Amino acid sequence: DQQVKQNSPSLSVQEGRISILNCDYTNSMFDYFLWYKKYPAEGPTFLISISSIKDKNEDGRFTVFLNKSAKHLSLHIVPSQPGDSAVYFCAAKQGGSEKLVFGKGTKLTVNP
Amino acid sequence: KAGVTQTPRYLIKTRGQQVTLSCSPISGHRSVSWYQQTPGQGLQFLFEYFSETQRNKGNFPGRFSGRQFSNSRSEMNVSTLELGDSALYLCASSLGIHNEQFFGPGTRLTVL
Repeated sequence: DQQVKQNSPSLSVQEGRISILNCDYTNSMFDYFLWYKKYPAEGPTFLISISSIKDKNEDGRFTVFLNKSAKHLSLHIVPSQPGDSAVYFCAAKQGGSEKLVFGKGTKLTVNP
Repeated sequence: KAGVTQTPRYLIKTRGQQVTLSCSPISGHRSVSWYQQTPGQGLQFLFEYFSETQRNKGNFPGRFSGRQFSNSRSEMNVSTLELGDSALYLCASSLGIHNEQFFGPGTRLTVL
């Protein structure tokens, strides 16, 4: 049972445009969500997080939106840069636990 | 501040052998978690330690075990290796609940 789903395996955008990566979850007990970026043969790099008490969090070019009623979150990258090309993972956890449940990832390609 | 370090980076073992992987968390971080990444299953939680105590365990057989030392360094052990144990093993550390987890570069284990 996949509790965190990233339904788009890949996404391609032009440099300077917006990248929108989506994530859905099924467990209503999740109360903290994170996005990670990963290059091959490296560990995931933390990008941005959001608590379930918020619906938006912004950090530079990265913004995460949370829609609790739809159990959906999205990561917006504006403007997209070629260096953003990587696999992006959505992850979730519930209170009192450090266990992260990951989606399968979305491979983002930003074309110059 | 130094990041999470993992040793060794690469390891080749044969079926039936055992292996020990090591993780040094970011200074001051007391929570250490382990994850397995495979192409088929993605990133899956193995276990989490805090102050030398296992607080959470994922759905893996008893061949997978771990421990944490008083300096927060952690080791994980896999006994009686199987071909399916070939994976990237990632360690992550954090300050604790509702803090971001920061990942190390991983140990690539190949079982022949």
